[in-house]
Amino acid sequence: QLQLQESGPGLVKPSETLSLTCTVAGGSINTDKFYWDWIRQPPGKGLEWVGSIYYDGSTYHNSSLKSRVTISVDTSKNQLSLKLTSVTAADTGVYYCATHGAYDVVWGSSPDWGQGTRVTVSS
Amino acid sequence: EILMTQSPDTLSVSPGERATLSCRAGQSLSNNLAWYQQKPGQAPRLLIYQTSTRAPGIPAKFSGSGSGTDFTLTISGLQSEDFAVYYCQQYNKWPITFGQGTRLDFK
Repeated sequence: QLQLQESGPGLVKPSETLSLTCTVAGGSINTDKFYWDWIRQPPGKGLEWVGSIYYDGSTYHNSSLKSRVTISVDTSKNQLSLKLTSVTAADTGVYYCATHGAYDVVWGSSPDWGQGTRVTVSS
Repeated sequence: EILMTQSPDTLSVSPGERATLSCRAGQSLSNNLAWYQQKPGQAPRLLIYQTSTRAPGIPAKFSGSGSGTDFTLTISGLQSEDFAVYYCQQYNKWPITFGQGTRLDFK
């Protein structure tokens, strides 16, 4: 069973770049079964999709963040990464690594979301 | 972008009763809709995908239904552990979008 674990700095200064990593255990990240997602949640608010990547390198981003977001995969380390440039206080929140099925039959083997990593943007 | 609207924002129900949560999409989803449960301090947990298929390990008290633009999550025999926030998510078209959430409270 796949397991996801996020890691990264808990505090980032305004205008700097936020870099997060999601380590995938229990299986390969290089699979056509899932899209690999980043989702965030501002304090006390709902879920916001940040972006996704597929094994063939296709990436998809929230248009409100598109120019600041880079999502990539390192298959040698079995890791997913997120870089968000020029951060502001509005980027504060919990960032989750997750997946969603690329086709119906694989959803049943979807891993649980990562536990999330809390990021605060402050000087 | 497909707008997802959940109703109500807060639902107060007594233990043992049934809760009905609604989710409306701005356009047809071809049944590509999921439901998640989130408890305080925890990551969201997948309950339902493809509108009505329960994820592994999810009890039968959780059921999803709907089609097109209108979807429902029904939770029967509410227990204390069911009181949480529930989100719908569409994955029919990019960008993926979530509803704003429905908080299920003790009455």
